[in-house]
Amino acid sequence: AQSVTQPDIHITVSEGASLELRCNYSYGATPYLFWYVQSPGQGLQLLLKYFSGDTLVQGIKGFEAEFKRSQSSFNLRKPSVHWSDAAEYFCAVAPNNNNDMRFGAGTRLTVKP
Amino acid sequence: DGGITQSPKYLFRKEGQNVTLSCEQNLNHDAMYWYRQDPGQGLRLIYYSQIVNDFQKGDIAEGYSVSREKKESFPLTVTSAQKNPTAFYLCASSMAGEKLFFGSGTQLSVL
Repeated sequence: AQSVTQPDIHITVSEGASLELRCNYSYGATPYLFWYVQSPGQGLQLLLKYFSGDTLVQGIKGFEAEFKRSQSSFNLRKPSVHWSDAAEYFCAVAPNNNNDMRFGAGTRLTVKP
Repeated sequence: DGGITQSPKYLFRKEGQNVTLSCEQNLNHDAMYWYRQDPGQGLRLIYYSQIVNDFQKGDIAEGYSVSREKKESFPLTVTSAQKNPTAFYLCASSMAGEKLFFGSGTQLSVL
């Protein structure tokens, strides 16, 4: 069965600093990979997704993620964090039909002024 | 504007009571999903539906029921059999193989 691990429950970074959120997955084949962001009390918004092709994926709000097959990872990065990026971030993995999409436990990002 | 609407935003349930959470979408999506979110945990799939009049159980379907009589609507009933219903419930929809669009969620609490 597929699964997703986000090793960091909570990360604090200073505004303007770089950010990397880790995601590791377990799946027999190359799955579809997603990063979502959630503000408190809200639904999830898709940041980016990887289906195939270029392993470096660009998303919205200046985020990018890199798929590394050898490490079964799909880490999310941003070169310079803004205070508005403070939120909960979820990595998700799915086969090609979304029916069995699995989410990680999430990483809460706090941004210090 | 196209999107997914969940209502109510906050809901309270008494012991032994069934409650129904509403989810409506005007995106013309075929598939709809219900997830449960508990603090410090990721989203867990309760039920999903790929077409009208058809739905499948997810990982934690016990104590929940759904219906899909219309393409736009996928209501979730939390029955009295669900002993720990307090959670944030998220509805989502998608076209097959495409990204999920999420509603803004319903927070269910027990009185």
